[in-house]
Amino acid sequence: DIQLTQSPSTLSASVGDRIIITCRASQSITTSLAWSQHKPGKVPKVLIYKASNLESGVPSRFSGSGSGTEFTLTISSLQPDDFATYYCHQYNGYPLTFGGGTKVEIK
Amino acid sequence: EVQLVESGGGFVQPGGSLRLSCAASGFPFSIYNMDWVRGAPGKGLAWVSSISFGSDKTFYADSVRDRFTISRDNSKNTLYLQMNSLRADDTALYYCVKRGSGPRGFDSWGQGTLVTVSS
Repeated sequence: DIQLTQSPSTLSASVGDRIIITCRASQSITTSLAWSQHKPGKVPKVLIYKASNLESGVPSRFSGSGSGTEFTLTISSLQPDDFATYYCHQYNGYPLTFGGGTKVEIK
Repeated sequence: EVQLVESGGGFVQPGGSLRLSCAASGFPFSIYNMDWVRGAPGKGLAWVSSISFGSDKTFYADSVRDRFTISRDNSKNTLYLQMNSLRADDTALYYCVKRGSGPRGFDSWGQGTLVTVSS
């Protein structure tokens, strides 16, 4: 199975900060990686697909990069609505797997 | 607008069964692969099962294989998950998830239905 290691698990930041979340795969997944945003009681939202492609309607402050085994999600200027938990997931092969999540908290 | 509405969750004793449903709307359901993903309290997310658009291919996580069965009825725009021999570690919020086309993974999620397995 392909393991995804996300870091950090928790991140404290302020509005306006630039933050970077990392996702490392245990073997190459080319660019078959997506990022999603999760808030309690809300429908999860997919932000990025194929490592670096912004889903329709997602603000441009979100960006993704990487290929192979190293991936990042960057939020260029954190907004109040961005405090949430973020997950990477790979769809290169079965079983599909998720990273452990990164909770972005208000500093 | 894509809408995925799960139902069928609830409280069940170990060894019991539940059938989850997911009513899909806002897109041509019959041409998209679909999945179930679960999130246990404090344990992150885990993929459970996938089904191809024509039901000819199904995939399962090792932890649920031989206990859970995924199916769909394209005439009713509905996805199902039959869960048998439930265990305490199946307790989770179960999400219905739509696959994107082409190089996308999941592209839309439902809000989830809670399954609690306890004696």
